[in-house]
Amino acid sequence: QVQLVQSGAEVRKPGASVKISCRASGYTFTSYYIHWVRQAPGQGLEWVGIINPGGGSPKYAQKLQGRVTVTRDTSTNVVYMELRSLMSEDTAVYYCAREAGEGASRFFDYWGQGALISVSS
Amino acid sequence: SSELTQEPAVSVALGQTVRITCRGDSLRDDYVSWYQEKPGRAPVLVLYGEDKRPSGIPDRFFGSSSGITASLTITGAQAEDEADYYCKCRDSRTRLYVFGTGTEVTVV
Repeated sequence: QVQLVQSGAEVRKPGASVKISCRASGYTFTSYYIHWVRQAPGQGLEWVGIINPGGGSPKYAQKLQGRVTVTRDTSTNVVYMELRSLMSEDTAVYYCAREAGEGASRFFDYWGQGALISVSS
Repeated sequence: SSELTQEPAVSVALGQTVRITCRGDSLRDDYVSWYQEKPGRAPVLVLYGEDKRPSGIPDRFFGSSSGITASLTITGAQAEDEADYYCKCRDSRTRLYVFGTGTEVTVV
C-alpha cells in the first residue's frame, strides 16, 4: 500500500535551518510528483513546493523562494525539504503529499502524517 | 489572480444538504480538487476532476463547476462530515498550486 512517512517534529531558533524528510513506499517513486504543504496554527493550507522524483527542477511558492529547497534521493525513495532563515511565521505542520492525475486534473491522493516545525527563541 | 475564495464557515442540520463554493479565475483552466481536514489529522482527498470520488469516500459527496466557481455538495450530511474543507487547483499563469481559503463545516 502507498505510504508517505515523515520525520518527526523539530524545534529551531529564529534564523536557523531545518531539513525534514518524507519516505515513500508502495509505488514506483519516480512516477509521481511529491509536494510539500504547510499549515500554521489556526490557519489554512499553504502550498510550499513540488519536486519530480524522476528528475527536473523543483518549483516553489513565491513567498518562500530563496529560503526553501526540496531534494530527493532515488536510492532511498526519500524527499527532503530544507527551510532556511527560519522565522516564527514558519511555525507550522508540514505535510508531504503525492500528486496523481494528469492534464488539467491534478490532485493529492496520499499524504504524509505531518511534521511540526516550531520556531521560537 | 491566484486566489481561491471559499465561505469561511457554514452549518448544516444532520441529514440535510450543504453546498460550499470555491471561486477563482484559475478555475477556468484547471479542475479543482477538494480536501477534508479534521483536527490533528492529515487532509484527505474527497473529490477530484470536478466530480470524481476516490474509493472509500461516501456517495453523498458531489462536485460540480461552472465558469470560475466550483462547488462541493454534501447530501444527507452526517456528524462525521464536520471538518474543514479546502479546494485546490493550479494558478492559470504560473501553473503553481494554490489552496482555497477553507470552509469550516459544522453539522448541528
